[in-house]
Amino acid sequence: EVQLVESGGVVVQPGGSLRLSCAASGFNFDDYTMHWVRQAPGKGLEWVSLISWDGGTTYYADSVKGRFTISRDNSKNSLYLQMNSLRTEDTAFYYCVKDIATDDVFDIWGQGTLVTVSS
Amino acid sequence: AIQLTQSPSSLSASVGDRVTITCRASQGISSALAWYQQKPGKTPKLLIFEASNLDSGVPSRFSGSGSGTDFTLTISSLQPEDLSTYYCQQFNSYPLTFGGGTRVEIK
Repeated sequence: EVQLVESGGVVVQPGGSLRLSCAASGFNFDDYTMHWVRQAPGKGLEWVSLISWDGGTTYYADSVKGRFTISRDNSKNSLYLQMNSLRTEDTAFYYCVKDIATDDVFDIWGQGTLVTVSS
Repeated sequence: AIQLTQSPSSLSASVGDRVTITCRASQGISSALAWYQQKPGKTPKLLIFEASNLDSGVPSRFSGSGSGTDFTLTISSLQPEDLSTYYCQQFNSYPLTFGGGTRVEIK
């Protein structure tokens, strides 16, 4: 069974840092582009970042560029999101998402981890 | 960034009704559009990719059409389990973007 399990979501103060992790199983992790997508409570979906299968290519939403860094460790079947200079508007559920191939379509979603930025 | 405008933002329909949701892109995106269904309290699920291709296991009452800037998601016969919010997403260019969502309620 294909599974994505996120961890690392906590309550953090504005300006703080946090690292999210995602453990993947049930598929050849190093064959696929991976993404982070977020959703503020009660709001719509916002794509955050992607990383290519080999880590060589990354893209970011303008709202997080320069503050967030996506990375992966294919030997551990793991995806990461380093979040710095956090703002209250970063409060959201963060989903680890598998690409359908390399097409930037999201076919498998994790259950999400909640990041709350609040003083 | 390409903006996606969904309409309506919400709708209420009866079981068996034909339901149509539209998604308009701020510039042409060819067929680089996907549709997702998010049931209350659940994570999104891929329904359609490349504007009209049903993902595996998606009921045939769902269909997608369109290209360029105008797209539609159609539910041919609404079922109680279709209570959800539906999102379109473009993958023509970065940053990837979603529409604002359409909430479908059952009368």
